[in-house]
Amino acid sequence: GNSVTQMEGPVTLSEEAFLTINCTYTATGYPSLFWYVQYPGEGLQLLLKATKADDKGSNKGFEATYRKETTSFHLEKGSVQVSDSAVYFCALSEGAQKLVFGQGTRLTINP
Amino acid sequence: NAGVTQTPKFRILKIGQSMTLQCTQDMNHNYMYWYRQDPGMGLKLIYYSVGAGITDKGEVPNGYNVSRSTTEDFPLRLELAAPSQTSVYFCASSNYRGSQETQYFGPGTRLLVL
Repeated sequence: GNSVTQMEGPVTLSEEAFLTINCTYTATGYPSLFWYVQYPGEGLQLLLKATKADDKGSNKGFEATYRKETTSFHLEKGSVQVSDSAVYFCALSEGAQKLVFGQGTRLTINP
Repeated sequence: NAGVTQTPKFRILKIGQSMTLQCTQDMNHNYMYWYRQDPGMGLKLIYYSVGAGITDKGEVPNGYNVSRSTTEDFPLRLELAAPSQTSVYFCASSNYRGSQETQYFGPGTRLLVL
């Protein structure tokens, strides 16, 4: 079946550092890919998405490019802030838009 | 717009008790979903619904039941609570027109079964 694998966490960075969170997937067909973010005590929110190969999703300074050849959708941000501390989930969409999630990566940004 | 609301926020159950987790959305979305999130893990789909009166199993449906009598409500029923059902439960909805549609999540219900 379809699956998503994220880099192991937790990840701790200093403010203004460069961020990469790796995500690779296994899927039949051409799924849509998503990054969701979960702030402490809250539900998940969509951060960005891409629906086809070579699409780049972006939001709040975060970017991710749908790479079909490497089956990857890595999340990047050039300069992180303390407010970016959260858990980040990579996900793909199957039929009926059933989401398959990675295990999540906890990110902590220190001032 | 309230979006997706869930009640209760937190509940402790004894083994063998039953309860219903409530989920309501006010966005007129056709699709609704229930996920569970175990510590350090991603979310796993329990059940989903593509419209009123239509439900289907997800990846981990055992021990749960759902119904969808209206567009707005999608309650999740636990009949005989077990410690393995200790988790955080999230309800979500989407206006499905294709696989790229965004799912909107509620704040979650934390359940502890002792």
